[in-house]
Amino acid sequence: RKEVEQDPGPFNVPEGATVAFNCTYSNSASQSFFWYRQDCRKEPKLLMSVYSSGNEDGRFTAQLNRASQYISLLIRDSKLSDSATYLCVVNPPYGGSQGNLIFGKGTKLSVKP
Amino acid sequence: NAGVTQTPKFQVLKTGQSMTLQCAQDMNHNSMYWYRQDPGMGLRLIYYSASEGTTDKGEVPNGYNVSRLNKREFSLRLESAAPSQTSVYFCASSEAPGPSYEQYFGPGTRLTVT
Repeated sequence: RKEVEQDPGPFNVPEGATVAFNCTYSNSASQSFFWYRQDCRKEPKLLMSVYSSGNEDGRFTAQLNRASQYISLLIRDSKLSDSATYLCVVNPPYGGSQGNLIFGKGTKLSVKP
Repeated sequence: NAGVTQTPKFQVLKTGQSMTLQCAQDMNHNSMYWYRQDPGMGLRLIYYSASEGTTDKGEVPNGYNVSRLNKREFSLRLESAAPSQTSVYFCASSEAPGPSYEQYFGPGTRLTVT
């Protein structure tokens, strides 16, 4: 099983739709989880951290299920500007204090008018 | 405040040539990182520097060397380029080592080795 797995998509949705991305991770001892966003031919940027209790930032909601080793990202009321690749990122236990991150391959979202 | 800058933006090398990718940050960050991104693969860590004066190998260090020149600058050197090193290279920095600190990425260097 790969360390971090994501559905590559693409997800093609109309403006205003709700879309959800899933991610699974293999190391049950992983402690920190993130979603990054990467626009086409640009650098990744942190979208949000994922906390055990779940967290929300405007139209974006992230959830963590440790028992199933599963992370999700929900985007409500999709905008054209949400079109990007969304990267699931995990800090494995062997990353230790160095902050080494394991990146998923990303899920591509395309929001259409 | 430019954040993380990388030079060059694009480079084409022939097999066996050498080059150095430059990275600088102006955020007074302690930790810096080099990643590569290949189609169909996630970003993979090549080397990192938790603080000035230290460097450590990441997941895919073979064929690369790094230098933490000072707090601001972290360079990546390819001594003898190979086609397998064709990739997009990203430099990143964070305030300190550890997953609690957001990593800020530079715009990337697109390298092709023929």
